[in-house]
Order: sequence, then structure tokens, then C-alpha cells
Amino acid sequence: GAGVSQSPSNKVTEKGKDVELRCDPISGHTALYWYRQRLGQGLEFLIYFQGNSAPDKSGLPSDRFSAERTGESVSTLTIQRTQQEDSAVYLCASSLAGGPSYTQYFGPGTRLTVL
Amino acid sequence: AQKVTQAQTEISVVEKEDVTLDCVYETRDTTYYLFWYKQPPSGELVFLIRRNSFDEQNEISGRYSWNFQKSTSSFNFTITASQVVDSAVYFCALSEEETSGSRLTFGEGTQLTVNP
Repeated sequence: GAGVSQSPSNKVTEKGKDVELRCDPISGHTALYWYRQRLGQGLEFLIYFQGNSAPDKSGLPSDRFSAERTGESVSTLTIQRTQQEDSAVYLCASSLAGGPSYTQYFGPGTRLTVL
Repeated sequence: AQKVTQAQTEISVVEKEDVTLDCVYETRDTTYYLFWYKQPPSGELVFLIRRNSFDEQNEISGRYSWNFQKSTSSFNFTITASQVVDSAVYFCALSEEETSGSRLTFGEGTQLTVNP
């Protein structure tokens, strides 16, 4: 079946602009996660959705970052007034259910470059 | 405090050599899960294995094997007879039942290069 998909694959924007990143989870997966990967580093957790609620958004680095999810489907990560330090690959993952025992499957990521 | 440590930043081997990637973790939870992911040059993370804290049996899958030792808080990954296609960044990750819930905490990754 189809895996996690993300769009766009690449996004170049100017400092101060807003961007929206999209994630389509694996069909039937109720849990969805966003992570950020800076160049040459590991992944940092941003937010976790169970259905359309976000029980853990403690990883969002500032109030410029927000995310929403429609039902158990698409999620959008929005970054307002982008800064150069926001440049990174943003990875989305989904799992069959929430909880630490469930394996998270990752999408290909969106590479964001802020000029 | 960093909870997953992959001390080897880069490893370079020649094809057919065996190679072990180290992972040391830190947790106060009694129930936790350990994962390995592979990130090839294409960038997409590929799931390799999941282990829970109550199962210390070593696992072998083809040329891959994993050694989980709670006594040393380690979950090491060995590739036997490495191949060029094994070249990738490998990440070890941890999820905890009580402390961190559903999130994964990743190590910094080990870049493995297998030369022909």
C-alpha cells in the first residue's frame, strides 16, 4: 500500500514569509508525528496527533510553528515569519495507533530552505 | 539530557567487512522500546527493527543482527559482509512508556560508507 507522502518535496522561501507543509499518513493510521532534521543531525520531535487532537506539542520550537490535522487524515505544519534557522528537512511519520510500542513510518520529508 | 548516544559519527569499511554500529541509551522507565532506522542518500527513513525492554533476545535478519544488553544500556547493530548498498546514515531511537509517551528520541546517527 501507499506510504506516508509529503508535499512539497522542496520549498525555498524568503525570510519572513509563511510556509505550509503537508503530510498524508498511511491510510488507517490514527497517529501522526512531525519531526525536524537539521543538516547532519538527528531528528527532533515537534508534535504528535492522535486523530485530530494534539496531546503532545511540546516540541514546537516557538509560537511561529503550528500544526493541524483533519480527522485521521492530512496534516499541515505551518511556519509563520520564517527565519533562516528554520531551514531543515521536515519529516512526517504515522503509526497504526498512538503509543510508544507502535512503529512510526516516515515520509520522504520536505526540505525547507529559508533565504 | 541526551538519551540516545551514537558515538560513531562516521564509519568507513570495505565491502564484505563486518561492521558494528553502537547505540547507548538512557532511561528511567522500565518499559521502553528501541528502534533502528536507515536513511539512505534519498533521505527517507526506513524502519529496520523494534525491540521492547522485556525482550533481550538477540535478533538476526539476513545480514543484519542486533544485540540488546540492558546491563550496559546498549542496542548495537551489526551488518555482516557489508555491501555498497548498505551505505547510509543509521539512527537508533528510543520511546518510553511513561516519560516521553509516543515521541521518538533519536541519536545523532552514524554515517556508514561501504567502499567497493
